[in-house]
Amino acid sequence: QVTLRESGPALVKPTQTLTLTCTFSGFSLSTSTMSVSWIRQPPGRALEWLALIDWGDHTYYSTSLKTRLTISKDTSKNQVVLTMTNMDPVDTATYYCARIVVGATDLGLGFDYWGQGTLVTVSS
Amino acid sequence: SYELTQPPSVSVSPGQTASITCSGDKLGDKYVCWYQQKPGQSPVLVIYQDSQRPSGIPERFSGSNSGNTATLTISGTQAMDEADYYCQAWDSSTWVFGGGTKLTVL
Repeated sequence: QVTLRESGPALVKPTQTLTLTCTFSGFSLSTSTMSVSWIRQPPGRALEWLALIDWGDHTYYSTSLKTRLTISKDTSKNQVVLTMTNMDPVDTATYYCARIVVGATDLGLGFDYWGQGTLVTVSS
Repeated sequence: SYELTQPPSVSVSPGQTASITCSGDKLGDKYVCWYQQKPGQSPVLVIYQDSQRPSGIPERFSGSNSGNTATLTISGTQAMDEADYYCQAWDSSTWVFGGGTKLTVL
């Protein structure tokens, strides 16, 4: 049974760095083709893909946010960590982590398992 | 950067067929996935690889993709299908979501 769970602060101040952790079970990021992504959704708005890390430690970032994002993994702990620097009120959103199976390129298999999401509010 | 465009809203009567479109440049050359999201819940994958249904997704959900447009079709729409729907594709090593479509069953 695959599960993912996001954790991190519910409130951060502007200019601070956000650190979110995705703890998962039911699969391993040391297994070929396994990958984990972070996706966010501002209140009442659309999903926005942020970053992905795959089994080989390759990382991919949203073009518009890449200067602020870092994604990493701890395979032994089954965790993926996302850091986002210089937080702003417009970054207020529910942040999701999700699993996706990919090859050398996207296989079109989609984000098949999602966490429940964690709401992060950016306010002074 | 690559963009996917969806209509903000679609309405359908119960039992009728709902079609939700997603458009993007040469989208037919890419794989498209569709997600259903109900209020307060995480998205659920309902279509992958343009037209494949994951286990547990009802047969009334189907998908197609050609040219610049992908379409999610819900046949015999039920009240429980009322939700937001998002298309998603991959381009230049980034994953892209459409702006979402609110499906109203009335």
